[in-house]
Amino acid sequence: RKEVEQDPGPFNVPEGATVAFNCTYSNSASQSFFWYRQDCRKEPKLLMSVYSSGNEDGRFTAQLNRASQYISLLIRDSKLSDSATYLCVVNRGTGGFKTIFGAGTRLFVKA
Amino acid sequence: EAGVAQSPRYKIIEKRQSVAFWCNPISGHATLYWYQQILGQGPKLLIQFQNNGVVDDSQLPKDRFSAERLKGVDSTLKIQPAKLEDSAVYLCASSTQPWTEGSGANVLTFGAGSRLTVL
Repeated sequence: RKEVEQDPGPFNVPEGATVAFNCTYSNSASQSFFWYRQDCRKEPKLLMSVYSSGNEDGRFTAQLNRASQYISLLIRDSKLSDSATYLCVVNRGTGGFKTIFGAGTRLFVKA
Repeated sequence: EAGVAQSPRYKIIEKRQSVAFWCNPISGHATLYWYQQILGQGPKLLIQFQNNGVVDDSQLPKDRFSAERLKGVDSTLKIQPAKLEDSAVYLCASSTQPWTEGSGANVLTFGAGSRLTVL
């Protein structure tokens, strides 16, 4: 079983739709969590950190559920420019520091 | 602020040949990472340096891959001999925060990557 798992998708949604992605992690020692965005043939870039209390950045909302060991990303009012792969990232700060990426969820937003 | 620099951007070699990739992280970033990203997959950590010391190389295929960061600044990743399954994008990333046990928080900035095709 992979340490960070995501639904690969693809998610095909119309402009203006709301879409949600989930990510599960297996190591309870994981300490910090992020969503990165990767455009086709580009490098990953930080989208947002995920805080325990949940956080919002414009149309994007991230949630963390430590008890169930999952992270979510909600995108409201989808834009064509949101089409990308969304990578769930987990940092483990004990037992050997590691930054571990999920395989990503592909999103296509269509007009 | 200048970003993470990588070269070459593209490389095509035949199997059993060797190749080297270079990375210059953001100035002042103590931690440097090499990731391998195969098409359709997420980045897989190969090796992580803190200054010029190795923090984690547990997933580096040491029979063919090597990496160094001699002066704690730029780094080189080498593959010798290459196999077909090494075809991937090799991403270098750096972060400002030095690793400390229990810190956890660490945001990575990536370079544009080096795309390797092994024929």
